[in-house]
Amino acid sequence: SQQGEEDPQALSIQEGENATMNCSYKTSINNLQWYRQNSGRGLVHLILIRSNEREKHSGRLRVTLDTSKKSSSLLITASRAADTASYFCATDASAGNNRKLIWGLGTSLAVNP
Amino acid sequence: EAGVTQFPSHSVIEKGQTVTLRCDPISGHDNLYWYRRVMGKEIKFLLHFVKESKQDESGMPNNRFLAERTGGTYSTLKVQPAELEDSGVYFCASSLSGGFSYNEQFFGPGTRLTVL
Repeated sequence: SQQGEEDPQALSIQEGENATMNCSYKTSINNLQWYRQNSGRGLVHLILIRSNEREKHSGRLRVTLDTSKKSSSLLITASRAADTASYFCATDASAGNNRKLIWGLGTSLAVNP
Repeated sequence: EAGVTQFPSHSVIEKGQTVTLRCDPISGHDNLYWYRRVMGKEIKFLLHFVKESKQDESGMPNNRFLAERTGGTYSTLKVQPAELEDSGVYFCASSLSGGFSYNEQFFGPGTRLTVL
């Protein structure tokens, strides 16, 4: 069974609007990460939030983490057409030196100009 | 500095054939990971190398899959014989060694494998 579940699965907005994506997970984690994948390209790391953090910002990105609810949200403010991509959350629940990531299904974001 | 590269970008083969995927990590990265995304499903971990040693291969689907990292540089993932359910995108990632601390995983563009 998957660790992370994103919702919505697909989101379509207008340029300039904000986009919010949510992720839920099942087990205790060390950290949670958000990645972006543009069509035909590799996964690009966006932001990491540790289990003892509640909120983190990076440019137009804002990530929150609620460990009591085992959920996270990614907010993209003032969206641009170039933000069109699939967004994935991944959790690191590893022990020791093995940092394998457990992934959700992803949210497909379309930003219309 | 070159990122993680994967070859080929696409591969279309017949069921029962053999395919070998290659991943070249970022130079100096001891950790190398393989992941796979089957259509409509989540990305799943396959295995993790630290240098040339397999640290964790718990995600390998079955013994038709063989991963190697001779010399601790590039890695290959061989599927023999390929089955229809092996179709998907295979991602490779690498990261610096860091003991118990987090080190960002850098991903390659993936290899899209189609088994007919």
